[in-house]
Amino acid sequence: AQKITQTQPGMFVQEKEAVTLDCTYDTSDPSYGLFWYKQPSSGEMIFLIYQGSYDQQNATEGRYSLNFQKARKSANLVISASQLGDSAMYFCAMRETGSARQLTFGSGTQLTVLP
Amino acid sequence: NAGVTQTPKFQVLKTGQSMTLQCAQDMNHEYMSWYRQDPGMGLRLIHYSVGAGITDQGEVPNGYNVSRSTTEDFPLRLLSAAPSQTSVYFCASRRDGIGDQPQHFGDGTRLSIL
Repeated sequence: AQKITQTQPGMFVQEKEAVTLDCTYDTSDPSYGLFWYKQPSSGEMIFLIYQGSYDQQNATEGRYSLNFQKARKSANLVISASQLGDSAMYFCAMRETGSARQLTFGSGTQLTVLP
Repeated sequence: NAGVTQTPKFQVLKTGQSMTLQCAQDMNHEYMSWYRQDPGMGLRLIHYSVGAGITDQGEVPNGYNVSRSTTEDFPLRLLSAAPSQTSVYFCASRRDGIGDQPQHFGDGTRLSIL
């Protein structure tokens, strides 16, 4: 079973608008962490934001926030006030804290910000 | 301010050749890992290490070997290159096993097998 599902292969958003990128996950581990990474066309992986399964509040980092709905097993990334530089591939990833194994990634969402 | 350094950035091999992708980090991180990224897919874990002398397999380990003789270095060896190994390879590290530590990624190695 796929552990991380990103159902939006591509998304478009107008500059200065907000956009939500969807991510659902599957785990039986009560303790886990959820990460979002950005991959611009240059190829590097840039860490954006983290949410722990026991965190009471949704994570925020500047224009990025994570809409964490534990019962629904979703961890959507919200980008506010989109900028042209936000155009990139975005990956949701999970690490089950009880395991030494590394991240499990979704297939990604290609975001294009339109001027 | 090097972080995770991967070499080479690009490589073309012929089927059957062997080579080693280098990865070095200068952050004294215990955990290191190798991923491959194929079109339309997220990164998939090949091998990982939780410290010098300790390695383990990930999701797609076949055709690859690793070793971890020092904290800093974690090379990935392709034993006999196959076209199916054409991919972008990322090395990553994180400080330790605590859940909220993010992975720090290298810039990737683009590998083509002809």
